[in-house]
Amino acid sequence: AQSVTQLDSQVPVFEEAPVELRCNYSSSVSVYLFWYVQYPNQGLQLLLKYLSGSTLVKGINGFEAEFNKSQTSFHLRKPSVHISDTAEYFCAVSHYNQGGKLIFGQGTELSVKP
Amino acid sequence: ETGVTQSPTHLIKTRGQQVTLRCSSQSGHNTVSWYQQALGQGPQFIFQYYREEENGRGNFPPRFSGLQFPNYSSELNVNALELDDSALYLCASSDGTTGANVLTFGAGSRLTVL
Repeated sequence: AQSVTQLDSQVPVFEEAPVELRCNYSSSVSVYLFWYVQYPNQGLQLLLKYLSGSTLVKGINGFEAEFNKSQTSFHLRKPSVHISDTAEYFCAVSHYNQGGKLIFGQGTELSVKP
Repeated sequence: ETGVTQSPTHLIKTRGQQVTLRCSSQSGHNTVSWYQQALGQGPQFIFQYYREEENGRGNFPPRFSGLQFPNYSSELNVNALELDDSALYLCASSDGTTGANVLTFGAGSRLTVL
């Protein structure tokens, strides 16, 4: 069975500072990995995905993530955050032949302060 | 290209009642998944429909049921509502014919059970 652990429930950071949101997963088979963002009272928006190939994945809004198979991690990074990045961030994993079934982490609340 | 739309956006029911939530998939998508997101939690997979048939189910009781229609729109039905059913219900659509199903989420229907 797959599982996802987001290591930080809340991450406060000042505007223009770098940020890393940590995600570890557990799976005995090959998986796809995703980061989604959820703004207040909204649905989920895809930030980026890792399906195969290069382990460094670039997404929207200046975010990137690196897939590390040996450490089973998929941490999300941004070199300089903005106030508008304040939101809940979810890491998710799916088995390669169960595409519609995502296993989500508990979420990390990113709070960007001026 | 239209996105995923859900209705209603908010609703209040009492324990024991039944509820139907509706979802219109993104144009060109033939697969729909439903998720339950309790307050402060990550979304949890309820089930997926492909070509009008259930194609995967999470750990939810049979009183959670669904339908997918020929135009790929979908319904989630919950019978005998319980207080713990209070949550944001998210619908997501994808193109099931491609290798990796990247999900597009709607904004959700927030259900409160009193």
